[in-house]
Amino acid sequence: EVQLVESGGGLVQPGGSLRLSCAASGFIFSHYQMNWVRQAPGKGLEWLSYVSGSGTTMNYADSVKGRFTLSRDNTKNSLFLQMNSLRVEDTGVYYCAREHVVVPAALDIWGQGTMVTVSS
Amino acid sequence: QSVLTQPPSVSGAPGQRVTISCTGSRSNIGAGYDVHWYQQLPGTAPKLLIFGNSNRPSGVPDRLSGSKSGTSASLAITGLQAEDEADYYCQSYDSNLSIYVFGTGTKVTVL
Repeated sequence: EVQLVESGGGLVQPGGSLRLSCAASGFIFSHYQMNWVRQAPGKGLEWLSYVSGSGTTMNYADSVKGRFTLSRDNTKNSLFLQMNSLRVEDTGVYYCAREHVVVPAALDIWGQGTMVTVSS
Repeated sequence: QSVLTQPPSVSGAPGQRVTISCTGSRSNIGAGYDVHWYQQLPGTAPKLLIFGNSNRPSGVPDRLSGSKSGTSASLAITGLQAEDEADYYCQSYDSNLSIYVFGTGTKVTVL
């Protein structure tokens, strides 16, 4: 079964750091570009970042550029999001999502999400 | 502030047809970039409904269809059912921002 499972969310103080993980199974992980998308409470979806299948190319939304770093370990079928200098407005559910192998930007598999709360 | 604008809500009676618009600009939809649609049921992760403007992944019923014209795209749901009550988002790429962008989201209510 094709599956993505996020972990690492929790409560952190403003200015703190958190590392999210996404474990992939059921497909050849290295063949796919991977993304992170978040959703603030009661709000819409916000695309954050993607990393190419090889891990050599990344792109970030301005809202997280310079604070968040995306990486992957293809030997462990895992995706990571290192979040530094966290702000209250970073609070939300964070989803990892697989990008369609042929159609750019189409996110065809999503994890269940992990909640990040930034609060003092 | 999203660059893709959707109506906040649409509603219809069971069996009716509803459409959700996604209005962009010449730097995204109008530039020829594909539009994708997602359904998000309450408390769950989004699910890909339409990719590449009008293609349905396996398992998505043909009651749902997507189209694109100019700087806009639309998602149509025919034969509306109670299970269609959810939030729907469009998505594309914006060349000015050089990022993927989501629409503002539309809540579909079945009366």
